[in-house]
Amino acid sequence: RKEVEQDPGPFNVPEGATVAFNCTYSNSASQSFFWYRQDCRKEPKLLMSVYSSGNEDGRFTAQLNRASQYISLLIRDSKLSDSATYLCVPPSQGNLIFGKGTKLSVKP
Amino acid sequence: DAGVTQSPTHLIKTRGQQVTLRCSPISGHKSVSWYQQVLGQGPQFIFQYYEKEERGRGNFPDRFSARQFPNYSSELNVNALLLGDSALYLCASSLVGRDTEAFFGQGTRLTVV
Repeated sequence: RKEVEQDPGPFNVPEGATVAFNCTYSNSASQSFFWYRQDCRKEPKLLMSVYSSGNEDGRFTAQLNRASQYISLLIRDSKLSDSATYLCVPPSQGNLIFGKGTKLSVKP
Repeated sequence: DAGVTQSPTHLIKTRGQQVTLRCSPISGHKSVSWYQQVLGQGPQFIFQYYEKEERGRGNFPDRFSARQFPNYSSELNVNALLLGDSALYLCASSLVGRDTEAFFGQGTRLTVV
């Protein structure tokens, strides 16, 4: 099993939709995990930091399922500006290991 | 406050040449990590330095090396460039070395011809 697996998408959704991404991982020695957002030809930007089993920030909810070894990101009421690639960083043993990213495209 | 800064932003090199990329972390951050990102993939971990010592190394050949200076800035060096080294090289800084969020610079886009 790969260290981090993430559905590359693309996810094409209409404005206002709710969309969820999952990311599975194989090794973990911590409970912290992160989601990054990357716009085309730009650097990744931190979207959410989670140091427990979950976190909610406005329209965004991130959760950790430690038993099944996956993390998720839920986006409610999608906006056009949410169109980007979302990179997961599951719990790791020190160095941040990124998923390949899931591409989201929000259409009018 | 300045974020993570990298130089140069773009670079074109010939196969077999050597390249040095530079990174200045956010003020107060003592950890610097380097990542390689090729098109369509997530960032791949190359090195992490914390308090001037190498704390982690990814699955990259010995042609890749790095160091961290007393002011916590860092350099990534790649020798004997191959076409496959063409990528976006990202530097990320964080407060400490483990389990904390990292903040990225804008990257250096390296093209090997």
